[in-house]
This record gives sequence, structure tokens and C-alpha cells, in this order.
Amino acid sequence: AQSVAQPEDQVNVAEGNPLTVKCTYSVSGNPYLFWYVQYPNRGLQFLLKYITGDNLVKGSYGFEAEFNKSQTSFHLKKPSALVSDSALYFCAVRDGGTGGFKTIFGAGTRLFVKA
Amino acid sequence: GAGVSQSPSNKVTEKGKDVELRCDPISGHTALYWYRQRLGQGLEFLIYFQGNSAPDKSGLPSDRFSAERTGESVSTLTIQRTQQEDSAVYLCASSRGGLSYEQYFGPGTRLTVT
Repeated sequence: AQSVAQPEDQVNVAEGNPLTVKCTYSVSGNPYLFWYVQYPNRGLQFLLKYITGDNLVKGSYGFEAEFNKSQTSFHLKKPSALVSDSALYFCAVRDGGTGGFKTIFGAGTRLFVKA
Repeated sequence: GAGVSQSPSNKVTEKGKDVELRCDPISGHTALYWYRQRLGQGLEFLIYFQGNSAPDKSGLPSDRFSAERTGESVSTLTIQRTQQEDSAVYLCASSRGGLSYEQYFGPGTRLTVT
């Protein structure tokens, strides 16, 4: 069965500094990895995904993520944080080995960007 | 185009009553998912439907929970004999067929069991 861990409940960063939100996963087959963001009083939105190919994927709002197979990680990054990036971030995984659409989400990491 | 819609947006019910939650996916999306999000917590997978395949019900927490989907359109999640621990936001999402496609989420139904 697939699983995903977000080891940090909260990440604090100053505006203009780089940010990293961590995610590790466990699957039996090839991983399909996703990041979603939940802004206050707004629905969950897709940010980016890794399916295959380049380990560094770029997504919406200047975010990127790096897939590391040996460390089973898919950390979300942004070179320069904005106050408006403050939100709840979820990592999610599908297990290509099982062939199913079941998607497991992490517990979420709350990002606070201070002006 | 239209996104995923859910109704009602809020539902308050008494313990022991049955509730039905509705989800309208994006047209053409063959996969549909239900999740539960308790206050301050992550998303808990409940069930997904994909085309004509048998649904994956492995996340349903008890036999009080059931879900149906009519073809590739509307889905309803039914909770029988509601309990206070059922209070949560219930999120629906849809996606195109294929494991590589991301999900589009509805605004959720906030269920409060008193």
C-alpha cells in the first residue's frame, strides 16, 4: 500500500527567502507524485506533478519540486517566497504498481511567509 | 468551464439521522473521488470511481458509509445513522482517466453532526 509523509506540520520563512516543504513516499511500483495547495477559504488546487522524465518539475506560481528516487522524496521548493504563498500544502501519491487511482495525501504542511 | 460542484455547502444534522451529499464532476472526467477532511487535518481517502470499473471502496470507514455514481456523472455519498465523529468537510474531486492526471476539487460540504 502506498503512503506519504510530510514531516513538518509548519514551515516559517521570511519573504524573499527560499522555501522548502518536505515530502517522502512509499510505493510498490512507480510513483505518481502531486502537490496541491489549499488557500484559506478556497478549495484545493493542483500545483505540479511528477510522472516520469526530468527529476525537476515546474508548476504554478513559481513552485518547483525535485523527485529523488533513492531518497523516495519529492520536496516542494520556491526560490523566493511571497507572503501570498502562505497556505496549507499537501503532497499526494498514486502507486503505479497497483494500477489503481487511489490517491493518498499527506497530513499537510502549513507554510507561513512573514513580511 | 464549470468546475466540480458539491451540494449542500453546509449540512447540520442530528446524531442518528441519514445524510446524502452530492457531487457533480467536470464534464468528461471519468474518475471521481471522495475524501474526508477533519478540522486541521489532512485528506482521508474514502472511495473512487473510474469509468465502468468496480469502485475502490477501501477507504470507507464503516458500513454506514456508501457511495454511488451514475455513469460518468453525478455521485452521491450517503452516511447512515450519523455520529458526531462524522463531522468534517467532505471533498469531491474528479480527473481525466489515466493515472497521470491531476484532480480538480470541489468546494466541499461541511457536515456538522449535533
